Amino acid sequence: DTEVTQTPKHLVMGMTNKKSLKCEQHMGHRAMYWYKQKAKKPPELMFVYSYEKLSINESVPSRFSPECPNSSLLNLHLHALQPEDSALYLCASSQEPEGKLYEQYFGPGTRLTVT
Amino acid sequence: GENVEQHPSTLSVQEGDSAVIKCTYSDSASNYFPWYKQELGKRPQLIIDIRSNVGEKKDQRIAVTLNKTAKHFSLHITETQPEDSAVYFCAASMRTDSWGKLQFGAGTQVVVTP
Repeated sequence: DTEVTQTPKHLVMGMTNKKSLKCEQHMGHRAMYWYKQKAKKPPELMFVYSYEKLSINESVPSRFSPECPNSSLLNLHLHALQPEDSALYLCASSQEPEGKLYEQYFGPGTRLTVT
Repeated sequence: GENVEQHPSTLSVQEGDSAVIKCTYSDSASNYFPWYKQELGKRPQLIIDIRSNVGEKKDQRIAVTLNKTAKHFSLHITETQPEDSAVYFCAASMRTDSWGKLQFGAGTQVVVTP
């Protein structure tokens, strides 16, 4: 089953709020990703975790804080966001590549609106 | 870093006709090229991919071709149906010290009219 789940589906938050996005996969994948997608644009990579360790941070502002509690879960903690951070936040997962590249499977996303 | 260009940005086809989307990439070391389909309000869905040791791959009505020399790859959809209407993204792997990075093209909005 190639399924990645994300909660919540929609989130509206004020600029002073703290919230978290959650992502879960039970495919045994050891790499997990956070992407940000604006309307009519491709996904932009934010973070990559491999074996629960952060391996890529694409110079994302510190108001976004990722966390990988275990191999199945990925969180994105949000604090003091700006209206321009409103977007679709996608989680993805893939197998550990061992030098090769594997398919990335996306979750349904969280539609975030910052007011 | 890798740069992927995708054309056209919009494509209107009559149901039953074929659709072709083309992408070019800049990093000759890239070796993995997936295609994603994203319907309105839905997640990007991997529909087909190709690795650099293969020139062509087919799955029912969709096919992907890769020309490593020219650094371009294409998605072909035959006998298009209304449910093929979506945004299609090509992507290329970035060969850096960090794995798992996909560089996406800007996307092609495909509209299939009955």
